Amino acid sequence: SAVISQKPSRDICQRGTSLTIQCQVDSQVTMMFWYRQQPGQSLTLIATANQGSEATYESGFVIDKFPISRPNLTFSTLTVSNMSPEDSSIYLCSVVRVGADTQYFGPGTRLTVL
Amino acid sequence: RKEVEQDPGPFNVPEGATVAFNCTYSNSASQSFFWYRQDCRKEPKLLMSVYSSGNEDGRFTAQLNRASQYISLLIRDSKLSDSATYLCVVRGSGYSTLTFGKGTMLLVSP
Repeated sequence: SAVISQKPSRDICQRGTSLTIQCQVDSQVTMMFWYRQQPGQSLTLIATANQGSEATYESGFVIDKFPISRPNLTFSTLTVSNMSPEDSSIYLCSVVRVGADTQYFGPGTRLTVL
Repeated sequence: RKEVEQDPGPFNVPEGATVAFNCTYSNSASQSFFWYRQDCRKEPKLLMSVYSSGNEDGRFTAQLNRASQYISLLIRDSKLSDSATYLCVVRGSGYSTLTFGKGTMLLVSP
């Protein structure tokens, strides 16, 4: 399995501010994804992080709200912009390794917006 | 119709019981199927992939019925440590994205 780290692990933020979450993988991966899991809900895909180009967003998610970077094969960031309490959630990075079929998840970032 | 539907939970069972979870999916073009386990306040972790011929891993057996678009997970001899939420997960062809069910919570009691 891939070793995935996320920073920060948790944060409490004021509404109107922005938070950038980092995801680092220990080996090269083909695909990197960002998910959100709201309290009591399953995982919802926000976007696919593409290396060197704009992320591919799912319906209901836009780049202005959730800008994503992926400068190389092992690192990505997700920014939650202009936060509101509705953005309180767990944000998870997920990867598929080169030559593999399985998708692994990072430990998540627990965000609370006041 | 939701893309991936699972049994509503929670399932409360005593230690040693056998419990079965069911899942249906709506996209007949789906190619890959998985069961993930998610402990409270933790990330999902792959429990097992599901193959057309059915597969077993210790106390866990997964089965797939493509004609009925139905997936199952059977847990035998339940342990306290099996308490978690079990997520049914489906993927289309190639590197298409995963679709998650809402999960079924299992609580195993002494």
